Amino acid sequence: GAGVSQSPSNKVTEKGKDVELRCDPISGHTALYWYRQSLGQGLEFLIYFQGNSAPDKSGLPSDRFSAERTGGSVSTLTIQRTQQEDSAVYLCASSGQLYQETQYFGPGTRLLVL
Amino acid sequence: AQKVTQAQTEISVVEKEDVTLDCVYETRDTTYYLFWYKQPPSGELVFLIRRNSFDEQNEISGRYSWNFQKSTSSFNFTITASQVVDSAVYFCALSEAATGRRALTFGSGTRLQVQP
Repeated sequence: GAGVSQSPSNKVTEKGKDVELRCDPISGHTALYWYRQSLGQGLEFLIYFQGNSAPDKSGLPSDRFSAERTGGSVSTLTIQRTQQEDSAVYLCASSGQLYQETQYFGPGTRLLVL
Repeated sequence: AQKVTQAQTEISVVEKEDVTLDCVYETRDTTYYLFWYKQPPSGELVFLIRRNSFDEQNEISGRYSWNFQKSTSSFNFTITASQVVDSAVYFCALSEAATGRRALTFGSGTRLQVQP
C-alpha cells in the first residue's frame, strides 16, 4: 500500500515568511509524528498526534511552530516568521494505534530559509 | 532522561567485509523499545527492526543481525558480507513505555560507506 507522503519535497523561502508543510499518513494509521533533521541537532522530535487526544507538543522549539491534524488524517506543520536556523529536513511518520508500534517515515520536506 | 549513543560517526569497508554498528542506550525504564533505521542517499528513513526490552534473543534477517544485551545496554547491528547498496546512514532509536511518550530518541547516526 501507499506509504507516508509529504509535500512539498523542497521549499525555499525568505527569512520572515510563513511556511506550511503537509503530511499524509499511511491509511488506517492513527498516530502521526513530526521530526526535524538538521546538521547540528540530528533527528529531533517535534509533535505527536494520536486520534482525538491532545497532541504532545513537547518537542516544538518555539511558539513559531504549530501543527494541526484535520479529520484524524492529514497534518500540516506551520512555521511562522521563519529563521535561517529553521532550515532542515522535516520528517513525518505514522504508526498504528497500539502502543509503541513501529513508526514509518515519509520522504521529508527539505526547507531552506534564505 | 533517555539517550542513545552511536560512537562511530563514519565507517568505511570494502565490499564483502562484515561490519558492526554500535548502539548504546540509557534509560530508567524497565520497559522500552529499540529500533534501527536506515537512511540511504535518497533521504527516506527505512525501518529495519524493533525489539522490546523483554526480548533479548538475537535476531537474524538475511545478511543483517542484531545483538541486544541489556547487561551492557547495547543493541548492535551487524551486516555480513556487505554490499555497495548497504551504503547509508544508520540510526539507532529508543522509546520508553512508562513515560507514555511515544517519540523516538535517535542516536546521531553512523554513516557506512561500502567500497566496491
